[in-house]
Parts: sequence; C-alpha cells; structure tokens
Amino acid sequence: KAGVTQTPRYLIKTRGQQVTLSCSPISGHRSVSWYQQTPGQGLQFLFEYFSETQRNKGNFPGRFSGRQFSNSRSEMNVSTLELGDSALYLCASSFLLPGGNSPLHFGNGTRLTVT
Amino acid sequence: SQQGEEDPQALSIQEGENATMNCSYKTSINNLQWYRQNSGRGLVHLILIRSNEREKHSGRLRVTLDTSKKSSSLLITASRAADTASYFCATESPLNAGGTSYGKLTFGQGTILTVHP
Repeated sequence: KAGVTQTPRYLIKTRGQQVTLSCSPISGHRSVSWYQQTPGQGLQFLFEYFSETQRNKGNFPGRFSGRQFSNSRSEMNVSTLELGDSALYLCASSFLLPGGNSPLHFGNGTRLTVT
Repeated sequence: SQQGEEDPQALSIQEGENATMNCSYKTSINNLQWYRQNSGRGLVHLILIRSNEREKHSGRLRVTLDTSKKSSSLLITASRAADTASYFCATESPLNAGGTSYGKLTFGQGTILTVHP
C-alpha cells in the first residue's frame, strides 16, 4: 500500500499570502489529521476530518482551515501568512479501530517557510 | 499544550548499548504511543500500549506503562546507528461520547537519540 502523500514538499511564501497544502491518505483510511511542528512548540494538533466532516480542532486561529473530499483526500489552508507560521506541516491518516487505539500514519510533511 | 515530558532531552550511546527514554503525562489516557522521526521527515509509529496494559514488546523495543505514576518508558535494546532519530511519546485521551479525541494525539517534546558506530 502506498503511504500518506503530502504535496508540495517545500513551500516558500511571503507574509500576507495564503497557502494550500494537500494530503492523500493511505487507501481505506477515512480519518485525516493535521499537525504543525515547530522547534519552539513541538508537535501541535490542528484538526481532524472524517467523512468530509471536521470532528476535532486544535487551538489555532481561524486563519487555519481545512477540508476533506469524498475520496478522503484533504487540504489545509493558511490565510494571511505570518512569520510564525513557518513550520513542518504533517498530515496523518488512520483506519480508526472501534474504541480508538488506532495508530497514526504520517506523511513526510510540507516544509513551509514564510519570509 | 504539551501533555508529555520526555527525559532525557538528548541521549548519546555506542552501537550495541541499550537506550532508555522516559515519558510522563498529566491526564488520563486511552493509550500511549511512541513514534520515531528521522531528521525533517514524517513520524513513524513504533508501538501502542493501551491504558490497561503494563508492558509491550515489538522486536528490539520494550515499552512499559505505569498509569498510577502517569509515566512510560521505551527501551531499545542492542542499538544500531540506524536507530539515530528523535523519539516522541504521544497520548490519546479517553474517547468521549462525541468521539472528539479521534485523530488528536498530544505529543511530548521528544528525545534525540544518537547512536555512534
């Protein structure tokens, strides 16, 4: 099975611009989560989607948004970019076993640099 | 906010030695997971231990969980240079009726392991 695919691998944007990141989950995985990783804050949960519905959201401003399509592929968008948005953005998919206890399968991330 | 505190922050050992990393957390959990991350890449799931389990093994990995102390440890035996990476513990909160814990793991700050050939 192919793993989680994230595109693009690297992005350089300037402050005030917006950006869209894409994630294709493992085939059969319907849950997609997004995480932000920075040296200062570590790994922080952004949001989770299942069957095109956002079920869970982390503590990020409304500039961060996402969506999921009927084929489970997901995108996240960051508007009005700030320097502090520079980070590695990781997407993860999960099969969602009953009762939880489902490991996450991560992509290699998109490295966003805001200048 | 980070739930887990990992100790040590960095660990440097020789090939063949064992590596032990510790993780503490603050709230009740459904499970605790360990992940590995090679520089600048995605995280790889290593092992998941449920809240009602005390010990789990996978190959050269041994994980223990003490829910009374809210702590876990990861032991890597007979380390290899290829084990050089950052290791993170992550907790999943108990699922509530709305299932709003799905997809959300709370990660520790990680331990950087360097294994010298």
